[in-house]
Amino acid sequence: QVQLHQWGAGLLRPSETLSLTCTVYGGSFSTYYWSWIRQPPGKGLEWVGEINHSGSTNYNSSLKSRATISVDTSKNQFSLNLTSVTAADTAVYYCARENIFAEWTAFDIWGQGTMVTVSS
Amino acid sequence: DIQMTQSPSSLSASVGDRVTITCRASQSISSNLNWYQQKPGKAPKLLIYAASSSQSGVPPRFSGSGSGTDFILTIFSLQPEDFATYYCQQSYSTSTFGQGTKVEIK
Repeated sequence: QVQLHQWGAGLLRPSETLSLTCTVYGGSFSTYYWSWIRQPPGKGLEWVGEINHSGSTNYNSSLKSRATISVDTSKNQFSLNLTSVTAADTAVYYCARENIFAEWTAFDIWGQGTMVTVSS
Repeated sequence: DIQMTQSPSSLSASVGDRVTITCRASQSISSNLNWYQQKPGKAPKLLIYAASSSQSGVPPRFSGSGSGTDFILTIFSLQPEDFATYYCQQSYSTSTFGQGTKVEIK
């Protein structure tokens, strides 16, 4: 059974860098894309970006190059760094697996979520 | 970027009701549309992928339809555990979620 476990700092000051890591337990790491998705309090879901085992990435253009996703295949981990955070980056951050169903993809396994608060 | 618009943003329904949620894409996304259920304090759960295929373990009362730009999630005979927020998501070009539909108890 595949599980995602994520962790990282929960309280940041404006202009600091958000850092989160997600470890994949069980299953294949190299078959899938792995994503970060966030949800501001009381609001909807926003896709942040994704990475595969070879380090190929895609990002939400709205983040204006502040986001960097990296991978460590030796540890079955992927990480998110988000620079120059502001209060608008306050959210629950989820890591998720993008499974492949024939020619379609969907997020079928999610981490437990990490609440990140940006406050001075 | 592809925009996803859900309607309604919220609805009230009773146990046993049939509930319909719509999702519209700003351009054609073929069948690259997924539906999720989220309960408070929990991660979203995949219900439907590829517009109409049920994820393993999802009750048959959940049904998805549509293609191109217009999609529907139907819950036949709403159950107490179905009161939650539902999101659509396009996977045609990176990913975008709809704003969500909260299903509340009437």
